[in-house]
Amino acid sequence: DGGITQSPKYLFRKEGQNVTLSCEQNLNHDAMYWYRQDPGQGLRLIYYSQIVNDFQKGDIAEGYSVSREKKESFPLTVTSAQKNPTAFYLCASSTGTGSSYEQYFGPGTRLTVT
Amino acid sequence: AQSVTQLGSHVSVSEGALVLLRCNYSSSVPPYLFWYVQYPNQGLQLLLKYTSAATLVKGINGFEAEFKKSETSFHLTKPSAHMSDAAEYFCAVTKPGNTPLVFGKGTRLSVIA
Repeated sequence: DGGITQSPKYLFRKEGQNVTLSCEQNLNHDAMYWYRQDPGQGLRLIYYSQIVNDFQKGDIAEGYSVSREKKESFPLTVTSAQKNPTAFYLCASSTGTGSSYEQYFGPGTRLTVT
Repeated sequence: AQSVTQLGSHVSVSEGALVLLRCNYSSSVPPYLFWYVQYPNQGLQLLLKYTSAATLVKGINGFEAEFKKSETSFHLTKPSAHMSDAAEYFCAVTKPGNTPLVFGKGTRLSVIA
């Protein structure tokens, strides 16, 4: 089945540690996205990548980093510089061709930093 | 810049009643509009989308939405609420190409038996 995989579902870290969230897609989509979700805030864009080896900052990129070495993979690193990293993180992908344009979402990773 | 406003962070309806979730958008270009649903601790699932074809869009689970350019609105409706409709609903806007979605803050729908 085609889809987006995010692992792990739940992640716990101590403050001051970097942590990397995995996102893999087998939809052959060119574009991938990372969003952060907090209660009552909707989804806010962290980073996105429209092609391999290229990515752009979103609205809340500070304290995060990404890489896009392969079309299928778009890992997100939450660094110790992120002041409030506890949140639900969602990865998405899109093809943006034809009449499509919608984004397909993974199941999310809930990160708790204490 | 594009933006979305969802009126009402929480809407409560009785089972069998009409569901109306409001979404207004702002866009300098013809928008593409989406409604997504999210169940607790899950990702988002597409309900329906408007991509400049018919202005009345039908989606899954009996939901539909109407694009009204004059009102810059894309409200989501369902004639009869079911208990399984209880979830959070997000309206989003984008423009053609692989550009990110801009989301509203979401509306939590509760369905009362």
